[in-house]
Amino acid sequence: DTAVSQTPKYLVTQMGNDKSIKCEQNLGHDTMYWYKQDSKKFLKIMFSYNNKELIINETVPNRFSPKSPDKAHLNLHINSLELGDSAVYFCASSLWGGMRIFGQGTRLTVV
Amino acid sequence: QQQVKQSPQSLIVQKGGIPIINCAYENTAFDYFPWYQQFPGKGPALLIAIRPDVSEKKEGRFTISFNKSAKQFSLHIMDSQPGDSATYFCAASMTSNTGKLIFGQGTTLQVKP
Repeated sequence: DTAVSQTPKYLVTQMGNDKSIKCEQNLGHDTMYWYKQDSKKFLKIMFSYNNKELIINETVPNRFSPKSPDKAHLNLHINSLELGDSAVYFCASSLWGGMRIFGQGTRLTVV
Repeated sequence: QQQVKQSPQSLIVQKGGIPIINCAYENTAFDYFPWYQQFPGKGPALLIAIRPDVSEKKEGRFTISFNKSAKQFSLHIMDSQPGDSATYFCAASMTSNTGKLIFGQGTTLQVKP
């Protein structure tokens, strides 16, 4: 059983489209995250939810909107996709502050 | 103050060598320092972690050295193997807060056979 699973693994889409990435964790963790990894492999936190409540919202364009229907799921919806949104997006979860269990990533390519 | 600076950006060693990756931080409130290992096409995975009350931690061939006064910590990989070729990230967090984990810039390690 995969601990943190995200779908899809690959996403190719045109500029201006709206897309969603889904994430689910079966670890019973209270906190879930979205990270963006750019072409230089830098990992940047985007959002964090604790028990469905938004607790970290970094400087991310409003086109990005996370949604947590329950504490096991955290989805990321992106409106009006731009070329600069191309990156690998990682979902992660944790039981407490420092540790993270990451998903396999979603490689988003905007053309 | 929230930055974690990691060096080098890339590293090439021969099999059996001891690659060393260094990280420095500013915020003295950080109290948890993990290292993550990422293989191509995979998510980062926790490798080893240390808290500032100890100066060294070993797990298998991986060792973290921690210098609290210098606000620096490093990862040593003993007897490195080609299978260790990956990107390594240091990180720092304050476990008492909402758990914001600050990552270093990453080091791409290649271990040649």
